[in-house]
Parts: sequence; structure tokens; C-alpha cells
Amino acid sequence: DTGVSQNPRHKITKRGQNVTFRCDPISEHNRLYWYRQTLGQGPEFLTYFQNEAQLEKSRLLSDRFSAERPKGSFSTLEIQRTEQGDSAMYLCASSVEETQYFGPGTRLLVL
Amino acid sequence: GDSVTQMEGPVTLSEEACLTINCTYTATGYPSLFWYVQYPGEGLQLLLKATKADDKGSNKGFEATYRKETTSFHLEKGSVQVSDSAVYFCALFSSGGSYIPTFGRGTSLIVHP
Repeated sequence: DTGVSQNPRHKITKRGQNVTFRCDPISEHNRLYWYRQTLGQGPEFLTYFQNEAQLEKSRLLSDRFSAERPKGSFSTLEIQRTEQGDSAMYLCASSVEETQYFGPGTRLLVL
Repeated sequence: GDSVTQMEGPVTLSEEACLTINCTYTATGYPSLFWYVQYPGEGLQLLLKATKADDKGSNKGFEATYRKETTSFHLEKGSVQVSDSAVYFCALFSSGGSYIPTFGRGTSLIVHP
């Protein structure tokens, strides 16, 4: 069990650019979640997968955000045409049942 | 919908003081309840959990009891250490089958030597 890993750990980009983040879950976990966290707030749910199927997506999630989990293993989260308001920590978590195991997060700064 | 309310921080204590961080929830059905801890620059880690009423979760000297009658899951520790300084998140996982947890806003704990 090597834990959940996320890459990159930090990303600085200019407004309007596209960015992609990767999450590698714990290998036997079938559920994978993406969250956004801003300063002083708890994790805000974005989307989740069960195996390769994306089962739910937050209604607050802009169409600029898309996520994939092509083989039911790692996942990517892409943000197109980034805006300054996208600056946040993006957290990935995996689970088998109710307990979530979080990665260290990717901190995004949009200039 | 489901919601979790935590006391606002920061909570500032001296080493060896007693800690209580309040958490109340609103949920349909019978949720499972969790406390997660986040150290600076890291993701969240599970601290403890309770899955049914009157259960007590405990870990590393922390404990919390699932109180259905008051819809609460307060986090307690009898003697805090400097190394306990972190942000603590209360969360619930509803039994309604959505598989999406609800997190509180977090409570920052600062422990001084």
C-alpha cells in the first residue's frame, strides 16, 4: 500500500491556459473522488468514479472541468481556459467503502 | 440535504490542556461519522470514525461519541501536544447510497508549548 499519489504537487499557470492533474489511487480501491479546497474551507466535492464510470458530478462544476479514469486505475482532471478563481488545492481520494484515503493534493495558482 | 457544522477556529491551547471541538450534523437516515486531520501542506488523514449511534471512535488519544439524540460527534482529547496542531474536519457519509461524503469547514487547532 503506497498510498494515493498526485502529480504535480504545485502548478502555476497563466489565465486562459489548460492544466491537467493526475491521481494514482490505492490499487485495490474502486472509487476515486476529486475535491477542491480553498483556504479555510473543507473539501468541496467535484466528481467521483466507480471503476471507470463517472457516476456523479457536482452541479457547481463548470463545463471547463473534465475528469477521466480510462482503465479504472489512475484518473486525470483537466481544467480548460483557467481563471483566477480556479486557484485552489485539488485533492484526490480513493476508497473501497466509506473511509476516504487522500492524496497530498495539487496546489494550483492561476496568474 | 446533508450538512456538517463545526465550531469556528482557531482554537488556541497550551500543551497538556483539554480539547473539545464541536461538530453537529443534519442527515437523512443513519450516517457514518468521521474526523479527519490535515497537517500543513498535506492531504486529509482519517483520525477516527463511528458507524452507528452510541459508538465511540478513538485514535491517538482522541475520541468522539456518535450521539444520535443531539446529532453530534464532538472531538475530545484529554491532553494535547504541540504536534496535534493541525486542521480538523468533521464529516459524514450518508446511508442514502450517494457515496458522496459531506465535510465541515474545518477547525484549526494551535497548541503552544
